[in-house]
Amino acid sequence: DVKVTQSSRYLVKRTGEKVFLECVQDMDHENMFWYRQDPGLGLRLIYFSYDVKMKEKGDIPEGYSVSREKKERFSLILESASTNQTSMYLCASSQTGYPTNEKLFFGSGTQLSVL
Amino acid sequence: KNEVEQSPQNLTAQEGEFITINCSYSVGISALHWLQQHPGGGIVSLFMLSSGKKKHGRLIATINIQEKHSSLHITASHPRDSAVYICAARRGNYGGSQGNLIFGKGTKLSVKP
Repeated sequence: DVKVTQSSRYLVKRTGEKVFLECVQDMDHENMFWYRQDPGLGLRLIYFSYDVKMKEKGDIPEGYSVSREKKERFSLILESASTNQTSMYLCASSQTGYPTNEKLFFGSGTQLSVL
Repeated sequence: KNEVEQSPQNLTAQEGEFITINCSYSVGISALHWLQQHPGGGIVSLFMLSSGKKKHGRLIATINIQEKHSSLHITASHPRDSAVYICAARRGNYGGSQGNLIFGKGTKLSVKP
């Protein structure tokens, strides 16, 4: 089975800190995604990447950046954490291909609290 | 109005009941996903549909492209089915990345023993 691993399950940071969220997948997927999930708002796409060193902005990229230096790893960076970035962050990966192969695999999420 | 709407928001059922969760969308899509999120956060992909119907165990997903509507059915529901069920519509054409998914807000299902 595909495994998508997020480095931390819970994280507490201070306002202004630089925060790194790491995500690793083990199935050689081209596509990787970072979402945040907030009560009442559902999942919202922050950034995605369809290849090494390639990135695309999602719906809410402000205050975030990403890095994909290796195919298996996709990092989300909060340059200067703010309290409104307190949220559940979910990483996902998928393989580009025929429709029947399209399946999203999610990590278990990182609950980030910014104090 | 959200582009992807789910109903109901919350659903409580007795064990054994037949359950239906609905998803309507207002944009043109190429596929629709159903996801399951258990307490604790982990999300599992259940189905990806572009037409017709798919079945996996006690779960059945259908989609009507003309009516822009999809349903997820659970037969003989069990307390372990308690979770949040999320539909996500994929804009655009096949072959690209999935960066263009639009998510519903989820339906929270509780199945009582």
